Amino acid sequence: QQQVKQSPQSLIVQKGGISIINCAYENTAFDYFPWYQQFPGKGPALLIAIRPDVSEKKEGRFTISFNKSAKQFSLHIMDSQPGDSATYFCAASKNGNTGKLIFGQGTTLQVKP
Amino acid sequence: GAGVSQSPSNKVTEKGKDVELRCDPISGHTALYWYRQRLGQGLEFLIYFQGNSAPDKSGLPSDRFSAERTGESVSTLTIQRTQQEDSAVYLCASSPTSDGQYFGPGTRLTVL
Repeated sequence: QQQVKQSPQSLIVQKGGISIINCAYENTAFDYFPWYQQFPGKGPALLIAIRPDVSEKKEGRFTISFNKSAKQFSLHIMDSQPGDSATYFCAASKNGNTGKLIFGQGTTLQVKP
Repeated sequence: GAGVSQSPSNKVTEKGKDVELRCDPISGHTALYWYRQRLGQGLEFLIYFQGNSAPDKSGLPSDRFSAERTGESVSTLTIQRTQQEDSAVYLCASSPTSDGQYFGPGTRLTVL
């Protein structure tokens, strides 16, 4: 059972544009929602995370929007840069930031110069 | 400071052989996780260690897979009688009690 669905599978954005990646979850017991960035040949790196008691969290050019009633959350990358080209994974866990993570299938982002 | 390290970085083995993968977590991190990433896929949870508690083994795909952790340090993931479908990148992560999970670079396992 796929508990976290991520879309789109791939995304091409022009430099300076906004990249938007969406995730939907099924289990209402999830209480921690991180986003990871992965470059080829590297392990995933924690980018930003949110808990369900807030609807938005911003760190620099990266923003998570969270809709608890719709069981959806999204990553917005403002002013996208070629260096942002990577694979992005959303995830969710039931026991805060120390619980096992259930990952989405990933989105490959290409930012064109 | 040093991040999570894993060894070997690459492992090629023949079908039916046993393999051991090693993870050195960030010092002081009480939690340690193993995940598997098949080519072009998301990460699948395998096993989770938290301090002295019994490990959460709910993600292990078969009894050919096992893992151990020595206290709050090194962990080894063992795959017995490897099969071609075991080919993947095996990722280890560690976490302190108040922050997210930090991943190592992974071990790429190829079973011929």
